[in-house]
Amino acid sequence: GAVVSQHPSRVICKSGTSVKIECRSLDFQATTMFWYRQFPKKSLMLMATSNEGSKATYEQGVEKDKFLINHASLTLSTLTVTSAHPEDSSFYICSARMIGGRSASTDTQYFGPGTRLTVL
Amino acid sequence: AQSVAQPEDQVNVAEGNPLTVKCTYSVSGNPYLFWYVQYPNRGLQFLLKYITGDNLVKGSYGFEAEFNKSQTSFHLKKPSALVSDSALYFCAVRALSGGYNKLIFGAGTRLAVHP
Repeated sequence: GAVVSQHPSRVICKSGTSVKIECRSLDFQATTMFWYRQFPKKSLMLMATSNEGSKATYEQGVEKDKFLINHASLTLSTLTVTSAHPEDSSFYICSARMIGGRSASTDTQYFGPGTRLTVL
Repeated sequence: AQSVAQPEDQVNVAEGNPLTVKCTYSVSGNPYLFWYVQYPNRGLQFLLKYITGDNLVKGSYGFEAEFNKSQTSFHLKKPSALVSDSALYFCAVRALSGGYNKLIFGAGTRLAVHP
């Protein structure tokens, strides 16, 4: 259980185009999903927190208009990189938070396999 | 400030030997602590977590971690390392920021297990 998928796993695009990445929780419902960016040999940088049915909350320094997040259902969130440039090339990872048992304090985040974006 | 420190960039261990990957944290209130492992070009896999209760937490793949409140540490351990344990390990603490609970990650420690 607690599987999170991402699609595509790898994408190469031309500069100026937009790319959409999907994140799905396959066997549980996730009211909250998170989008991270990871640079080579670096830790994860939280980009935004996405709550189902409401606007995403972006971390400081992350451009809302460039990284569009939609959390349309309890099992799907999408990240669209608009007008991509080479500096947007990175490994993007989503995670979904499972609310466990009676107490929301025991929630655990489960991560997708990541999407490697290369902008030429 | 809420933070997680993993003081070692890399840990080298011989197969069959015990391993320890260190993590210390700074957070207000009771800490919720997590360990994740990442294999090359993959997302993070959940290993274990500490919320409350016993200080020794057992997780996946034979890993365990010991919560030490006085030392604000949550070191990851395994009695006998396998070559297949070689990966990048992240310690994380859940923190409340901007009205949301978020995971704050350490910088990661690369574990290399040699045959």
